[in-house]
Amino acid sequence: DQQVKQNSPSLSVQEGRISILNCDYTNSMFDYFLWYKKYPAEGPTFLISISSIKDKNEDGRFTVFLNKSAKHLSLHIVPSQPGDSAVYFCAASAYGVTGTASKLTFGTGTRLQVTL
Amino acid sequence: KAGVTQTPRYLIKTRGQQVTLSCSPISGHRSVSWYQQTPGQGLQFLFEYFSETQRNKGNFPGRFSGRQFSNSRSEMNVSTLELGDSALYLCASSSKVAGGAFGEQFFGPGTRLTVL
Repeated sequence: DQQVKQNSPSLSVQEGRISILNCDYTNSMFDYFLWYKKYPAEGPTFLISISSIKDKNEDGRFTVFLNKSAKHLSLHIVPSQPGDSAVYFCAASAYGVTGTASKLTFGTGTRLQVTL
Repeated sequence: KAGVTQTPRYLIKTRGQQVTLSCSPISGHRSVSWYQQTPGQGLQFLFEYFSETQRNKGNFPGRFSGRQFSNSRSEMNVSTLELGDSALYLCASSSKVAGGAFGEQFFGPGTRLTVL
C-alpha cells in the first residue's frame, strides 16, 4: 500500500516558468514532510521540509504548501532553471510524541525537466 | 563537514552469495537509516539504527540485516542474494535539532548492487 503518492511520473516546464510538483498521502499520522531532489548516480539531496503545524514554508525559489485536510502537499519552484532538472521525491515521517525519528516513507518520484 | 560516505560504490555478486555494505555518517550524527531504491518501487525503508540499536524496521525479509558500531558507522548485510536484490542501497544520517526532534536525513551516494 503506497502511503505517499506522486501521481505524475514526469513534468516538463519551460525555463523561467513555475514548476508545481504534487504529492498525496494517506497516513494521518504523518506530521513532517520533506522534498528531496535526486540526480543520477547521486543520493537524494534535501530541499525543503514542512511540519504539520504549518501550511507553507518558503526557501528562496522553493515553496512547499501543505493542505492537511486534503492530505496533499505541493512543491513550487519559481522561476524554474535548467539545473532544476532532476527527480523530485516527496517523503513523510511520523515523529510521534517522543520526538524521535521515524522512518521516511517516500513517493515514487517525479522527473522534472526544465527546457530552454 | 564531510558528507555521508558509502563503500563500495559498485558491487557485482551472484545469486546465493552474501554482501556487506558500509556507511559512515556525518560526524556527530547518531541516527543511520538504510533504504533500497529500485526503478519500480522508489525508495523503500529498510531499517534505522540509533546508538547501536535498531529502532525502526521496514518490511524486508530477514535476509536483510544491519548493525551500528559505537562510532555510529553502520553496515548492512544481505544473505542468500536473489536477482531482485539488485538495487541502489542508500544510507542516510540525521541528528537531533533544537526541540528534540530529528531533522532531515542526509543521504550518501549509494552502493549500486547487481546480482547476476
